[in-house]
Amino acid sequence: DAKTTQPTSMDCAEGRAANLPCNHSTISGNEYVYWYRQIHSQGPQYIIHGLKNNETNEMASLIITEDRKSSTLILPHATLRDTAVYYCIVRSANQAGTALIFGKGTTLSVSS
Amino acid sequence: EAGVAQSPRYKIIEKRQSVAFWCNPISGHATLYWYQQILGQGPKLLIQFQNNGVVDDSQLPKDRFSAERLKGVDSTLKIQPAKLEDSAVYLCASSSGQGGSHEQFFGPGTRLTVL
Repeated sequence: DAKTTQPTSMDCAEGRAANLPCNHSTISGNEYVYWYRQIHSQGPQYIIHGLKNNETNEMASLIITEDRKSSTLILPHATLRDTAVYYCIVRSANQAGTALIFGKGTTLSVSS
Repeated sequence: EAGVAQSPRYKIIEKRQSVAFWCNPISGHATLYWYQQILGQGPKLLIQFQNNGVVDDSQLPKDRFSAERLKGVDSTLKIQPAKLEDSAVYLCASSSGQGGSHEQFFGPGTRLTVL
């Protein structure tokens, strides 16, 4: 019962912005959108999460549409080290202590 | 802050043998998770502990997998006997569960190959 849909793969040139889309058309009002990424041979790493407002931290920005049915993770200046699988996950606030349900994610390839 | 530690990083065994993985979570983190990640897929939860109690083990193949967290800190995951389809990366993660924290911290994983 996948709650999110992501493209299988994307390419980005080094130094350019990487925009990773995610569709979550069945999202509920109390569900957050989370992004994790997994660099090769490492465990997943938390990037950012949001409810309805746009969010920004030192790693990325998260843009959530007004109807909350889709979102975009933005890496403003992609580097080779950003090559990874990016997972978009939807979960409710009362699930904060529960396991993450991962899909297959988007494989982002950054090239020079 | 030290991250989640796992050992060994790699393990190769033959089918029907047994194997154990070890995880040391971030200090003070009450919640510990074991995930299985098969090649080309996202991680899938096997078992979740809150301190030394099991919260969710609904997806753990209990006929061959077992896990424990006796003192609410370190945890071990065991497979006995192993099957070919158990070849995967086994990830341990922890979270504090305090102050509404949403973030899970993952270790580097143990890559198991069953021949």
